[in-house]
Amino acid sequence: KAGVTQTPRYLIKTRGQQVTLSCSPISGHRSVSWYQQTPGQGLQFLFEYFSETQRNKGNFPGRFSGRQFSNSRSEMNVSTLELGDSALYLCASTLTGRVFFGQGTRLTVV
Amino acid sequence: AQSVTQLDSQVPVFEEAPVELRCNYSSSVSVYLFWYVQYPNQGLQLLLKYLSGSTLVKGINGFEAEFNKSQTSFHLRKPSVHISDTAEYFCAVSLSLTQGGSEKLVFGKGTKLTVNP
Repeated sequence: KAGVTQTPRYLIKTRGQQVTLSCSPISGHRSVSWYQQTPGQGLQFLFEYFSETQRNKGNFPGRFSGRQFSNSRSEMNVSTLELGDSALYLCASTLTGRVFFGQGTRLTVV
Repeated sequence: AQSVTQLDSQVPVFEEAPVELRCNYSSSVSVYLFWYVQYPNQGLQLLLKYLSGSTLVKGINGFEAEFNKSQTSFHLRKPSVHISDTAEYFCAVSLSLTQGGSEKLVFGKGTKLTVNP
């Protein structure tokens, strides 16, 4: 069974630009969550989608948004990038309490 | 709200020695508990989880953890570590689905385990 797939693995963007990250969950998993990992703040929950609906949201500004498609694939968008948005963004897919993570997308904002 | 405290940010040990990574959580309702491992430039790999049942949970790579409800702890142990266990370990909690929780995980700050020869 394929795991959680995140694309791209690495990304370099300039301040003020926007970026879209993609996540394909494990087949059959309908819940997809996003996390931001930074050295200073650790792992922080961004949002969770279930059946195309945002079910839970963390404490991030509105520049961070997401969506989920009917095939459970999810995208995360960050607009007006800031230097502090540089981080590893992790996607997780979940089925009945079992949470599996992808390899992450390393975003660097310069 | 739930919170997780990993008491040690760094733990150095020698190869073949036992190790315990400590995790305490705070929650007023039932939770699920997890330990994840992260190798450099990688995502998180699930080591083990406690959902219900036996309080001693066995995971992959010889790790085990014990859920202690009265002490609100979920410490991770391995009787004999290898060089390849060098990584960062994260403890996490999520609300039990019976409490209406979703799949949000709250993580501790992580413990860097370094196994020296």
